[in-house]
Amino acid sequence: GENVEQHPSTLSVQEGDSAVIKCTYSDSASNYFPWYKQELGKRPQLIIDIRSNVGEKKDQRIAVTLNKTAKHFSLHITETQPEDSAVYFCAASISGNTPLVFGKGTRLSVIA
Amino acid sequence: NAGVTQTPKFQVLKTGQSMTLQCAQDMNHNSMYWYRQDPGMGLRLIYYSASEGTTDKGEVPNGYNVSRLNKREFSLRLESAAPSQTSVYFCASSERTGGSNQPQHFGDGTRLSIL
Repeated sequence: GENVEQHPSTLSVQEGDSAVIKCTYSDSASNYFPWYKQELGKRPQLIIDIRSNVGEKKDQRIAVTLNKTAKHFSLHITETQPEDSAVYFCAASISGNTPLVFGKGTRLSVIA
Repeated sequence: NAGVTQTPKFQVLKTGQSMTLQCAQDMNHNSMYWYRQDPGMGLRLIYYSASEGTTDKGEVPNGYNVSRLNKREFSLRLESAAPSQTSVYFCASSERTGGSNQPQHFGDGTRLSIL
C-alpha cells in the first residue's frame, strides 16, 4: 500500500523567513496531495491541495509543488508569522476506494 | 452548516467500561472516517466507511467496532476500554473515498482518558 514520509518532524524559523516541509510517497498511482494544518488543541484543517496533473499551486503565502518523477511534494510558506505555528500534515491518495494516507506531521514554530 | 459534529468532547472511563463515540455530518458526504491521534504519532486510521452500508478496517482497528447508522452518522464503539486507548479521536468525512474526491473535513475531536 501507499506510504508517505514527511520531513522534518520539527522546524523552527524566524518570523519573516520561509519554511519548507517535504513529503515523499511510494505509489506512483497517487494522484491527490492535500496539506492540513492543526493548531494546538484544534482539528486538522485543509489549507491547500494539489492534483497530479498540476506541478505547482499557490494561495497567498503558501504554495505546494509536486514532482511526480521523484514522487515527492513540498509545502512552502513565505513571510512566516507567529500564527503559522502549528503541526502540518501531508497526505496522498490513489484512485479507487483507498483512503488518504497521512505523513506523521511537522511541528512548525515561528519565533518572533 | 455545522460540518462534522462529534459527541462527547471529553470522556473519562475506567478500564473495562464500554462507550460509543458519535459522529454526524451535514455535508451530504458519502465517506466517513475515524482516526486516533496520540502525542507525536500523527493521525492513524481506525475504520472508515466509503459509502452507506460499508465499513472497512484501517491501520489500527483492534479493540474497536463501528456502525454506519445512515449516510449522516458513523459511530465508534469501544467494547472493553483499555488504557492504551487513551487518545484524541477525530471523525472526518469526504465526498468520496479515493482520488481527488476526498478533501477530508474533520470534527473537533473527542478527548478520551481511560484509567
